Amino acid sequence: EAGVAQSPRYKIIEKRQSVAFWCNPISGHATLYWYQQILGQGPKLLIQFQNNGVVDDSQLPKDRFSAERLKGVDSTLKIQPAKLEDSAVYLCASSLFVSGETQYFGPGTRLLVL
Amino acid sequence: AQKVTQAQTEISVVEKEDVTLDCVYETRDTTYYLFWYKQPPSGELVFLIRRNSFDEQNEISGRYSWNFQKSTSSFNFTITASQVVDSAVYFCALSDLKSGGSYIPTFGRGTSLIVHP
Repeated sequence: EAGVAQSPRYKIIEKRQSVAFWCNPISGHATLYWYQQILGQGPKLLIQFQNNGVVDDSQLPKDRFSAERLKGVDSTLKIQPAKLEDSAVYLCASSLFVSGETQYFGPGTRLLVL
Repeated sequence: AQKVTQAQTEISVVEKEDVTLDCVYETRDTTYYLFWYKQPPSGELVFLIRRNSFDEQNEISGRYSWNFQKSTSSFNFTITASQVVDSAVYFCALSDLKSGGSYIPTFGRGTSLIVHP
């Protein structure tokens, strides 16, 4: 069974530029999560989708971050414009359902904002 | 207040020592889920265990064991006879209900385990 796929693996941009990350969850998984992990900290949930609906986005900085999961499968997370403090690893995870199910993580996208 | 507290930032042991990683959580729900994940230097989080709040039975899997105690809101993780390959950051996580009826996960800050040969 294929795992969670993410691309790109690494990205370097300058502040005020925009960037997009892509995630393809495990086949059949209804729930998809985007996390931000700053160096030395635990993952922080940005947004949680169930199918193509948003379950929680309370920690998503909506003035600059956006995410979509239009067909209930793969998802895109965008940052526009990027700030220095957005430098982090962006992790995507998926789970079968939403009720406390185990999440399976992708390899992450390491973002450096200069 | 932190919902998941991993008070040990870093633990250093010598191979073959036993080591316990602490996790204390906070929730008002009666139904919730607890997890441990391992993050090796490669960066990908690897699932280790999931526990629901109604199952307080301790679990052993090879050299790994978990002690869940609702009375102290703790879910501690012990590695017996540690090995160099156990070196990683370990995260404890809690999924509990938010308003709207969805289970939302919260991770601790992680404990970095270094096992020296």
